[in-house]
Amino acid sequence: DTAVSQTPKYLVTQMGNDKSIKCEQNLGHDTMYWYKQDSKKFLKIMFSYNNKELIINETVPNRFSPKSPDKAHLNLHINSLELGDSAVYFCASSQDENTEAFFGQGTRLTVV
Amino acid sequence: AQKVTQAQTEISVVEKEDVTLDCVYETRDTTYYLFWYKQPPSGELVFLIRRNSFDEQNEISGRYSWNFQKSTSSFNFTITASQVVDSAVYFCALSEARGATNKLIFGTGTLLAVQP
Repeated sequence: DTAVSQTPKYLVTQMGNDKSIKCEQNLGHDTMYWYKQDSKKFLKIMFSYNNKELIINETVPNRFSPKSPDKAHLNLHINSLELGDSAVYFCASSQDENTEAFFGQGTRLTVV
Repeated sequence: AQKVTQAQTEISVVEKEDVTLDCVYETRDTTYYLFWYKQPPSGELVFLIRRNSFDEQNEISGRYSWNFQKSTSSFNFTITASQVVDSAVYFCALSEARGATNKLIFGTGTLLAVQP
């Protein structure tokens, strides 16, 4: 059983489209995150949620909208995709602010 | 500001050599957590270790060991008798607590290539 799972693993789309990435965790964690890894492998947090409440919104363009229907799911919707959005997006979860985050396998988004 | 520096961009070793990956951090917090993650060529991020700021004991797990020194703000990672399967990008990270969540501040990673 995969602890943190994301779908899809690969996503190729045209500029201007809207797309969603889904994330689910079966660890019973209260906290979920989205991180972005750019082409130079640099990892940076985008959002964090605790019990469906948005805690961190790290100056991400408002074309990115996370949605947490329940504490086991955190989806990422992106409107009007741009070339610069091409990256690997990682979902993660942790029990609380002091514990390690477990990451999904990543979604490689390519905007053409 | 919180910052993590991994000065070694790439390291290449031959199998069975020992290798140390350096990590230096900056924080004003007195309580903080440090982590190491491994990203193999398949792309996933694998948690390796978490260490809190009050525990400076070195840790050993099989061929892996970690040396945490607050005096030099370093949290270095050593792989003993490296193997080809250790080839990966290794990230050091510092945790900044925010509400009931945390924000991992990652270093830029060190690409380790272990040659057979």
